[in-house]
Amino acid sequence: DGGITQSPKYLFRKEGQNVTLSCEQNLNHDAMYWYRQDPGQGLRLIYYSQIVNDFQKGDIAEGYSVSREKKESFPLTVTSAQKNPTAFYLCASSIDSVESETQYFGPGTRLLVL
Amino acid sequence: GNSVTQMEGPVTLSEEAFLTINCTYTATGYPSLFWYVQYPGEGLQLLLKATKADDKGSNKGFEATYRKETTSFHLEKGSVQVSDSAVYFCALSGMDSSYKLIFGSGTRLLVRP
Repeated sequence: DGGITQSPKYLFRKEGQNVTLSCEQNLNHDAMYWYRQDPGQGLRLIYYSQIVNDFQKGDIAEGYSVSREKKESFPLTVTSAQKNPTAFYLCASSIDSVESETQYFGPGTRLLVL
Repeated sequence: GNSVTQMEGPVTLSEEAFLTINCTYTATGYPSLFWYVQYPGEGLQLLLKATKADDKGSNKGFEATYRKETTSFHLEKGSVQVSDSAVYFCALSGMDSSYKLIFGSGTRLLVRP
């Protein structure tokens, strides 16, 4: 079955530690996105990538980094510079940027700070 | 800038009641409009969408009509079920070169048996 997988489901970060959230898709989609969701709020865009080896900052990129070395993979690193990382992180993909209106989401990773 | 405003929740209904969740938007140009649903502990699923004025999106008994004159895209369902309990997000497609989606803050629906 085609879809988007995110791992792990729960992730714990210690102070000053970088952690990486995985996102993989086998939908052959060109575009991929990372969102952050805080309780009672909508989704905010962190980074997005329209093609391999290219990505752009979203609305809240500070304290995060990404890479897009392969079409199917778009990992997100939460760095120690992100002072309030506790949130639910959602990865999404779409066919290409022109058709990006319909985005398909993974199940999410919940990040907690120890 | 572009934005989406949803009614605050939670919305609590009895099973088989009629549902309306209001959504209004501000946008330049003609965005596409979406409703996504999020069940507890899960990611978002596309529920329905409409790409131009007067279009009606529908799925699983839910429907919403793209109203350009009132800049609205209200979600409705004639008879809700307990299994419809979830958070519902209204969104519009970004109108700039980023192609991103802009989401409302979400409305939690709780349906009681």
